[in-house]
Amino acid sequence: AQTVTQSQPEMSVQEAETVTLSCTYDTSESDYYLFWYKQPPSRQMILVIRQEAYKQQNATENRFSVNFQKAAKSFSLKISDSQLGDAAMYFCAYRPERNSGGSNYKLTFGKGTLLTVNP
Amino acid sequence: ETGVTQTPRHLVMGMTNKKSLKCEQHLGHNAMYWYKQSAKKPLELMFVYSLEERVENNSVPSRFSPECPNSSHLFLHLHTLQPEDSALYLCASSQDPHPAGETQYFGPGTRLLVL
Repeated sequence: AQTVTQSQPEMSVQEAETVTLSCTYDTSESDYYLFWYKQPPSRQMILVIRQEAYKQQNATENRFSVNFQKAAKSFSLKISDSQLGDAAMYFCAYRPERNSGGSNYKLTFGKGTLLTVNP
Repeated sequence: ETGVTQTPRHLVMGMTNKKSLKCEQHLGHNAMYWYKQSAKKPLELMFVYSLEERVENNSVPSRFSPECPNSSHLFLHLHTLQPEDSALYLCASSQDPHPAGETQYFGPGTRLLVL
């Protein structure tokens, strides 16, 4: 079974500084997608960034970038120039590319990391 | 309204009550999802609908009954719930349930408390 582990329940960062959130996952699949979702206090979860496992190049979206290490099954999120609006719960998620004896509809989430941004 | 909306935002119900959660997406998507978010636990996928047909039922107790009358609306009917069912229920939609890289757009959730 696929599992996603976020080992940091809480993190804090000073405004304008850089922070890295950790995520590891376990899977026997070779083709899959990894996601980071952000859930601000308003509760509306939004996609931050997505990585295809077959792509070696790390995904970037403005101030957000990932460090994807497929062999190590690691997928960390780096937030540069942190802003107050970045404060939220961050969830790492995994989804296999295709069915493998079961459904591939399922996004498997980690428990989340609560990020606090200090002014 | 834009995006994915959910009503009510908060709900308190007794174990013998029957209530329904509503989700509406204004994105023209074909797939809709129900998730349960409990404290200290990862989000759990409950149901997936594709073009109004249920394609996934993730071992959810029968006291939760989904309904998808059209591709824009999704309901979760609740009856004889237990206190451990108290959680944030999130609805999401995507253009299609496939491919796997498809972005899911989430609603704000309904905070449910079962007394």
